[in-house]
Amino acid sequence: DSGVTQTPKHLITATGQRVTLRCSPRSGDLSVYWYQQSLDQGLQFLIQYYNGEERAKGNILERFSAQQFPDLHSELNLSSLELGDSALYFCASSVGHQTPTSEQYFGPGTRLTVT
Amino acid sequence: GDSVTQMEGPVTLSEEAFLTINCTYTATGYPSLFWYVQYPGEGLQLLLKATKADDKGSNKGFEATYRKETTSFHLEKGSVQVSDSAVYFCALAQNSGNTPLVFGKGTRLSVIA
Repeated sequence: DSGVTQTPKHLITATGQRVTLRCSPRSGDLSVYWYQQSLDQGLQFLIQYYNGEERAKGNILERFSAQQFPDLHSELNLSSLELGDSALYFCASSVGHQTPTSEQYFGPGTRLTVT
Repeated sequence: GDSVTQMEGPVTLSEEAFLTINCTYTATGYPSLFWYVQYPGEGLQLLLKATKADDKGSNKGFEATYRKETTSFHLEKGSVQVSDSAVYFCALAQNSGNTPLVFGKGTRLSVIA
């Protein structure tokens, strides 16, 4: 158990809908990262927050947004969902904000299925 | 941009066999290199890392050496166990700035008794 929790574990929804994925980082970790894992694209970095501020942005679609709250939990909002958004979404956390020196701990993921 | 290429799987080995999973990278400068492991139904876990050329990362019997001249970071284990069955990801991150992890596509390993 990494100490990172993600809810829900599974989510099934229809095209055009909006969903919110939630992540609670390990106690003491200030950074939260979101990743998307799909069969065709592999594991892709979406966005990073550090202590409430956006720190780095990857291949995140405009239909997707995220935020980190004062209690350091984070939410990833996905809207106008398409079939291609079906994937496993991982959250990771770390103490610091620099990847090489601050180990990332991954949650178990949320599996999103868009029908 | 930076990228990581891993050998395609799946790889199936008998218990106690020798394991090699190839990983090469393309990047500017000298990034840090990582191997992550994903067991069924779980998130990724850091297995080992190396931060500069000729460094060897090791953990749980797995090893990988950072080879600058061949831009490679191959994962090896001398004797695999059934419990090593998982998906293995090679990744890199630049050592400066706020750069994210760049992952390879992953290699599924199945070890049979």
